[in-house]
Amino acid sequence: AQSVSQHNHHVILSEAASLELGCNYSYGGTVNLFWYVQYPGQHLQLLLKYFSGDPLVKGIKGFEAEFIKSKFSFNLRKPSVQWSDTAEYFCAVNPIYGNNRLAFGKGNQVVVIP
Amino acid sequence: DGGITQSPKYLFRKEGQNVTLSCEQNLNHDAMYWYRQDPGQGLRLIYYSQIVNDFQKGDIAEGYSVSREKKESFPLTVTSAQKNPTAFYLCATAREQGAYEQYFGPGTRLTVT
Repeated sequence: AQSVSQHNHHVILSEAASLELGCNYSYGGTVNLFWYVQYPGQHLQLLLKYFSGDPLVKGIKGFEAEFIKSKFSFNLRKPSVQWSDTAEYFCAVNPIYGNNRLAFGKGNQVVVIP
Repeated sequence: DGGITQSPKYLFRKEGQNVTLSCEQNLNHDAMYWYRQDPGQGLRLIYYSQIVNDFQKGDIAEGYSVSREKKESFPLTVTSAQKNPTAFYLCATAREQGAYEQYFGPGTRLTVT
């Protein structure tokens, strides 16, 4: 079955630590890739996206993600986190075969300790 | 996204009652979606609509129904047939069929007792 995998559902780290969240998908064809973030009490919002071109994409708030096609991965990174990065992060994949449906991973709950 | 309104924010119902969740958008987007979010489960697609008067089942449509009579509105009814209706429900929109970025509303938390 097609799926999106995010490991380590709960991540706890200190401010200034580096963050990397893994995302792997099982779709075989061309895909669009997204990371969404849900801050406590706020809407789900887009952090960054990859459609084509440079596989290293930069998003808001210092986040970046790298698409590695051979590994079916789209890992999210931030070199130095802040307390305000405490949130739930979701990877999403849209296979390009016409139905415009997003498949989401189960999310990573990230807690940054001041 | 400020252009997507979901009401109410919190909703309480007794078991056996149908309940309708509202989703309105002023973004002029063609596509609209309903997701259900449960802790540790991510977002699961219930129904989606790419144009007015047309909609398709998502991955967990059983016990839910929708309508799309207007471009701006995509209400979701949680019926008594839904076995575990307590959840956080998110509505999303996308500019058009083939556009891939989705914008999310603030959500409605439904509690059924």
